Amino acid sequence: ETGVTQTPRHLVMGMTNKKSLKCEQHLGHNAMYWYKQSAKKPLELMFVYSLEERVENNSVPSRFSPECPNSSHLFLHLHTLQPEDSALYLCASSRAFGLADEQYFGPGTRLTVT
Amino acid sequence: SQQGEEDPQALSIQEGENATMNCSYKTSINNLQWYRQNSGRGLVHLILIRSNEREKHSGRLRVTLDTSKKSSSLLITASRAADTASYFCATDGTGGYNKLIFGAGTRLAVHP
Repeated sequence: ETGVTQTPRHLVMGMTNKKSLKCEQHLGHNAMYWYKQSAKKPLELMFVYSLEERVENNSVPSRFSPECPNSSHLFLHLHTLQPEDSALYLCASSRAFGLADEQYFGPGTRLTVT
Repeated sequence: SQQGEEDPQALSIQEGENATMNCSYKTSINNLQWYRQNSGRGLVHLILIRSNEREKHSGRLRVTLDTSKKSSSLLITASRAADTASYFCATDGTGGYNKLIFGAGTRLAVHP
């Protein structure tokens, strides 16, 4: 266990659905991240939050909407997704933004868009 | 653009043998990290090496960094079946310490 949990672990949704992915870290970290890992591409950084403030948005389509209500929780709200959005979505945390440090990853949510 | 690229893409060895994976990157870095991922699960951090370091050890792992060649290697000695996983290098590049760019990874299979 890395101290980062993600729910659900598996999600199947239609293109017209709205769903949310949840991430929680129990490590007292101040920085949190969303990554996308698809079969044909390396792991891609999507969003970075530092103390609940978004500090990075890597040209991610607006159908992905992140939310960080506090430093322990991170959400990724999904709507009108496309089949190519099917991937493993990984959440990670680190002690602080701006500090060279390891990132702790959750187990991921396997998303399938039908 | 992809920063880190691992080589080989796949590696198959017997238990007890050493495994070496290489990573090349394109731009200047502050730090380079290695991560491991068991099939379809989250990544686990292995080692962080700073740009002013040339070698680092952790248990059976040895990482080297050559900034002049923009490359790094990960050596796993006396491999075990439990080492079977994908291994990724990640660099911070010019985006800042936390904005890691991952390579495509090396899939390592260790056979009993």
